[in-house]
Amino acid sequence: GQQLNQSPQSMFIQEGEDVSMNCTSSSIFNTWLWYKQDPGEGPVLLIALYKAGELTSNGRLTAQFGITRKDSFLNISASIPSDVGIYFCAGTDNNAGNMLTFGGGTRLMVKP
Amino acid sequence: NAGVMQNPRHLVRRRGQEARLRCSPMKGHSHVYWYRQLPEEGLKFMVYLQKENIIDESGMPKERFSAEFPKEGPSILRIQQVVRGDSAAYFCASSLLAGGYNEQFFGPGTRLTVL
Repeated sequence: GQQLNQSPQSMFIQEGEDVSMNCTSSSIFNTWLWYKQDPGEGPVLLIALYKAGELTSNGRLTAQFGITRKDSFLNISASIPSDVGIYFCAGTDNNAGNMLTFGGGTRLMVKP
Repeated sequence: NAGVMQNPRHLVRRRGQEARLRCSPMKGHSHVYWYRQLPEEGLKFMVYLQKENIIDESGMPKERFSAEFPKEGPSILRIQQVVRGDSAAYFCASSLLAGGYNEQFFGPGTRLTVL
């Protein structure tokens, strides 16, 4: 099946720093979604992207749908301690119908 | 406006027993998805259902696993004769639409432990 390569696997940053993470796929995706998961909880939708080249913001978060439709990135500006968690990219492609394919996650740790 | 609800949150079963996981989608959502997550991994798709229909079960193991979404009541993921390898977090998601704009919203998950 399809795979999403998400990087980095983990990040340990200082409060106030900006963060960038990305996902790449081997095939074209129609939709890119970014989720955050806290321990013991389900993923929470942060940003949804539907068009190649689309750049969307949600507060301090900004995500882009790559022009090739094979990648996406998520930026977090001015990180704060509550940004700690695991961030997942997910997407749908033409062949997979409505199922989401998830990346392996980026574990973000913020030092106050 | 309640989100996706799942119960139980934690479930312990002995090998060979049955596990039943329940999911109530967000109000107005008729598309339900089940995913499984192993520790330190991303979620893996299992099955996609609409009311009374299984649309895509390509991620479901061929044996012991089944899912339903009846006309009335929650969606059920059923695992028969559980084995230790079934221990995982099982998440349900729902969406309002299908196709290109199907933002999926997740429940809190059921953590299954098989002893």
